[in-house]
Amino acid sequence: EPEVTQTPSHQVTQMGQEVILRCVPISNHLYFYWYRQILGQKVEFLVSFYNNEISEKSEIFDDQFSVERPDGSNFTLKIRSTKLEDSAMYFCASSPGAAAYNEQFFGPGTRLTVL
Amino acid sequence: RKEVEQDPGPFNVPEGATVAFNCTYSNSASQSFFWYRQDCRKEPKLLMSVYSSGNEDGRFTAQLNRASQYISLLIRDSKLSDSATYLCVVRPPSGTYKYIFGTGTRLKVLA
Repeated sequence: EPEVTQTPSHQVTQMGQEVILRCVPISNHLYFYWYRQILGQKVEFLVSFYNNEISEKSEIFDDQFSVERPDGSNFTLKIRSTKLEDSAMYFCASSPGAAAYNEQFFGPGTRLTVL
Repeated sequence: RKEVEQDPGPFNVPEGATVAFNCTYSNSASQSFFWYRQDCRKEPKLLMSVYSSGNEDGRFTAQLNRASQYISLLIRDSKLSDSATYLCVVRPPSGTYKYIFGTGTRLKVLA
């Protein structure tokens, strides 16, 4: 069964450093998403991406964040200058379309720890 | 009022018990609804979509009450493997792609 994959599974970084989280969505899916989950809290939407551009972003997704689909298979989330409060689980998701009934499939997540 | 609200639990139930979770949502124009399951430190996985007419999948039954803006999940004959956090997920009105998650309800099924 096709699945979303993410690398690395765990990333430790120093405050102020840049990190890039990588995702490979399911191959025939057209919509891609990033969510995050701070430990003990709910899953929160960050950004959605379609046709090589951001279709929607949340208040969390400020200028420190960017997304890219560099090569037609990978989908990346970059945090330019990490803060302690960026420590969280970051989930990538993809869906075949944007219709209401389309399920979003989630990857296993990258745990980001900012020291 | 929170966008999606769930009782965090935990619900501790014996094997074989029936347990029900509720979830309320604030935006009456929300377009679709789901229950996801999340195991500790893992990704959310779709349990079932929730349709207006209600739907059943084996031991799991989901109901939607649009008038009262709540969604329910009933688990019959609980198994140890049902122990997890159950996430209520709402998709807002059309024009947006995001999911809005509740905080989740923790279920622990005891032997």
